[in-house]
Amino acid sequence: DAKTTQPNSMESNEEEPVHLPCNHSTISGTDYIHWYRQLPSQGPEYVIHGLTSNVNNRMASLAIAEDRKSSTLILHRATLRDAAVYYCILRDNNFGNEKLTFGTGTRLTIIP
Amino acid sequence: SAVISQKPSRDICQRGTSLTIQCQVDSQVTMMFWYRQQPGQSLTLIATANQGSEATYESGFVIDKFPISRPNLTFSTLTVSNMSPEDSSIYLCSVSGLANTGELFFGEGSRLTVL
Repeated sequence: DAKTTQPNSMESNEEEPVHLPCNHSTISGTDYIHWYRQLPSQGPEYVIHGLTSNVNNRMASLAIAEDRKSSTLILHRATLRDAAVYYCILRDNNFGNEKLTFGTGTRLTIIP
Repeated sequence: SAVISQKPSRDICQRGTSLTIQCQVDSQVTMMFWYRQQPGQSLTLIATANQGSEATYESGFVIDKFPISRPNLTFSTLTVSNMSPEDSSIYLCSVSGLANTGELFFGEGSRLTVL
């Protein structure tokens, strides 16, 4: 599985934007970039995913570098509820390879 | 979306015993996975539960220790056999949706403490 590299931890002030970086220099052409987050005492939840183009949804935006070797998850206005561990994961979308391999993730702390 | 129910949500077990965790999904799903999350750690995939056939285990996990069943498209069980304190973890069930949107759904997890 291609590997991702994320900072261990980040802090951000409440109501400010947050940019969570992820490096994936060995990404293959069939790998999608997925982001999940795990709130305290809960299972992970899906945030967003993309292949080449930038993506937006109600939770966040995903900016993907042109060479696809890095990406950034953007939370436009952080709230206290966004404090979680954020995982950047490469996933092969070919049938039979849908499993997710989690790295260590980034622990995001929101400062009131 | 898929709603996943896991039972038990938590349990305290004695060394040497076995415990079976159940995962029930509110809709038919193609793929089901079992993960382990040791204290303070990330998630590690144990196996893919295959409907009607033997589970596919990841490196470091074996069927004798973690037998898995998947009798239909909405239900799976994971048994943690002959438990030791090192098996104290959160065990999570995960499923992929029928629409293949790329999203996986996770249960709340089953927190096991082995004394």
